[in-house]
Amino acid sequence: EPEVTQTPSHQVTQMGQEVILRCVPISNHLYFYWYRQILGQKVEFLVSFYNNEISEKSEIFDDQFSVERPDGSNFTLKIRSTKLEDSAMYFCASSVTPRGNEKLFFGSGTQLSVL
Amino acid sequence: AQSVTQLDSQVPVFEEAPVELRCNYSSSVSVYLFWYVQYPNQGLQLLLKYLSGSTLVKGINGFEAEFNKSQTSFHLRKPSVHISDTAEYFCAVSKDRGSRLTFGEGTQLTVNP
Repeated sequence: EPEVTQTPSHQVTQMGQEVILRCVPISNHLYFYWYRQILGQKVEFLVSFYNNEISEKSEIFDDQFSVERPDGSNFTLKIRSTKLEDSAMYFCASSVTPRGNEKLFFGSGTQLSVL
Repeated sequence: AQSVTQLDSQVPVFEEAPVELRCNYSSSVSVYLFWYVQYPNQGLQLLLKYLSGSTLVKGINGFEAEFNKSQTSFHLRKPSVHISDTAEYFCAVSKDRGSRLTFGEGTQLTVNP
């Protein structure tokens, strides 16, 4: 079965540094998402993206966050100046239709640790 | 806004025993309901979903869930679990098929021999 691939699996960074989390969605998918899970808390929606635009974003997704599809295969999440509270598992997801919840594919996540 | 509560953070069971993982939701509008499973070091995988129609939904790996609107619940069940079912299970809700998912806290199911 096709997979969503996320790299790296673990990332450690210093507070205030920029970090880019990378995702390769399934090749024919058009709708892309980022979710995150802080340790011990719920999985939370961050942003959805389609046709090179943000479709929806949560209250968490402030000016420190940005997303980009720099080429035909990658989908990235950038955090400009990381804070301790950004430490979390970040999940990328993709779907082929706008009714994404009918068949949403998640990656295995990037564990971000901000020191 | 929607919210989801998974009533049990940990559920230990013995192999071949039945299991029920509980999920309650709150919403002011009609919802779509989902269960996801996360095996160690893997991503979230859709187990089953309720979009409309029959309130009893069957999913992969022998799991099923029943949508109960009056009790605002969507409990997950399996009549006989295997060691391989050991994983974290997440209940989620959305207000339509394309909107963000709102997840519960997750339930760690551990199946012991």
